[in-house]
Amino acid sequence: SYELTQPPSVSVSPGQTARITCSGDALPKKYASWYQQKSGQAPVLVIYEDSKRPSGIPERFSGSSSGTGATLTVIGAQVEDEADYYCYSTDSSVNYRGVFGGGTKLYVL
Amino acid sequence: EVQLLESGGGLVQPGGSLRLSCGASGFTFSDYGMSWVRQAPGKGLEWVSAISRSGATTYYVDSVKGRFTISRDNSKNTLYVQMKSLRVEDTAVYYCAKGGFRESPFDYWGQGILVTVSS
Repeated sequence: SYELTQPPSVSVSPGQTARITCSGDALPKKYASWYQQKSGQAPVLVIYEDSKRPSGIPERFSGSSSGTGATLTVIGAQVEDEADYYCYSTDSSVNYRGVFGGGTKLYVL
Repeated sequence: EVQLLESGGGLVQPGGSLRLSCGASGFTFSDYGMSWVRQAPGKGLEWVSAISRSGATTYYVDSVKGRFTISRDNSKNTLYVQMKSLRVEDTAVYYCAKGGFRESPFDYWGQGILVTVSS
């Protein structure tokens, strides 16, 4: 079955750059999107179509994709960016389905 | 302002049924695909189901096929999921999300509603 693989955690100090990776075989053909989920809250879209940022999302959040990998980058991470981050993509190789990565806890401390 | 409000959750015994509803406002409901995403306690997000704008096309994760049915009433701006033959492993917070049909992103989410399957 199709999977998206993320590291369980990433740690940075405030002001540093955080990079969260997501790998999956279908990513060369399918867009990735990224979701931020703070404790006890609903997820929020932070990046879509690999690298587009919705209105209202700070410019320090950016996305990129290359080959079988997608990356969420937070330049100058802030304490308030500490959250779980999930990548998402789709798979239509057999039957269509959506797939989330396992999630990455970003620590900013 | 886009708002999505889930209702219908609660405690149900294994093998039981439940219908969740999601009332939408702040956008033209019939112009967008919609989705359900769930999160088991302490676990990650899991895509469950998606439906096209008209309701003619639906998709499901394998673990709920034949047990869950997604539907929508565009005249009432409401999304539904009928869940039957519920299992303990269906216990989760269920989120309604705008988008998520084919490659569209989930650009707005409801606050989520808890479904607990337990005897």
